[in-house]
Amino acid sequence: QSVLTQPPSVSGAPGQRVTLSCTGRSSNIGAGYTVSWYQHLPGSAPKLLIYSNNERPSGVPDRFSGSKSGTSASLAITGLRAEDEADYYCQSYDEGLSGSVFGGGTKLTVL
Amino acid sequence: EMQLVESGGGLVLPGGSLRLSCAASGFTFSTYAMNWVRQAPGKGLEWVSVISGSTFYADSVRGRFTISRDNSKNTLYLQMNSLRDEDTAIYYCTKDKKPGISAYWYGDAFDLWGQGTLVTVSS
Repeated sequence: QSVLTQPPSVSGAPGQRVTLSCTGRSSNIGAGYTVSWYQHLPGSAPKLLIYSNNERPSGVPDRFSGSKSGTSASLAITGLRAEDEADYYCQSYDEGLSGSVFGGGTKLTVL
Repeated sequence: EMQLVESGGGLVLPGGSLRLSCAASGFTFSTYAMNWVRQAPGKGLEWVSVISGSTFYADSVRGRFTISRDNSKNTLYLQMNSLRDEDTAIYYCTKDKKPGISAYWYGDAFDLWGQGTLVTVSS
């Protein structure tokens, strides 16, 4: 069981907006540690989408946005495209474990 | 261009050992904390270890795995001993986004990943 909780799957039609959730606890997200999000396509290395809760690395489209509130974080994807179909992982730091932690991942299906 | 290239994966018997390497290029390797992250078949990502000014490990590998680096060779290592079936995974080398080496590491985003190397522990 992952320290950060993500729904196993989410789906949406092309052009729609979807939101992926990530629920933590007081020892990680709730303690103020930042959240990052990654996109993982089969056979490829994971790609950083969001860092510091809501910052986008250069080259990541502004269709991707992140937010954080309390012990939870969210990744929103607008204008859904077929190429967005992938696994998405959230990540933070846990002070009780003294290490980085990932969510279990959400598989996004574009209908 | 920044790049990480892992090597050293393979098939090993339970209880055996293996050493992974990660060759870095395109950035000042010595100024960044570096990590290992793994993904078991059909499972999600799992952080394994980090080396900054100190080293830290996931509970699942502490006491069996050792992370190290050779800044003169721009190379990161993971020595894996007492391997178990559940250590079977693709192992990725990753780079922290923010520069800085400190005895205190409080996590960071990973902005560069290698392509991974497969470790299979099986009899």
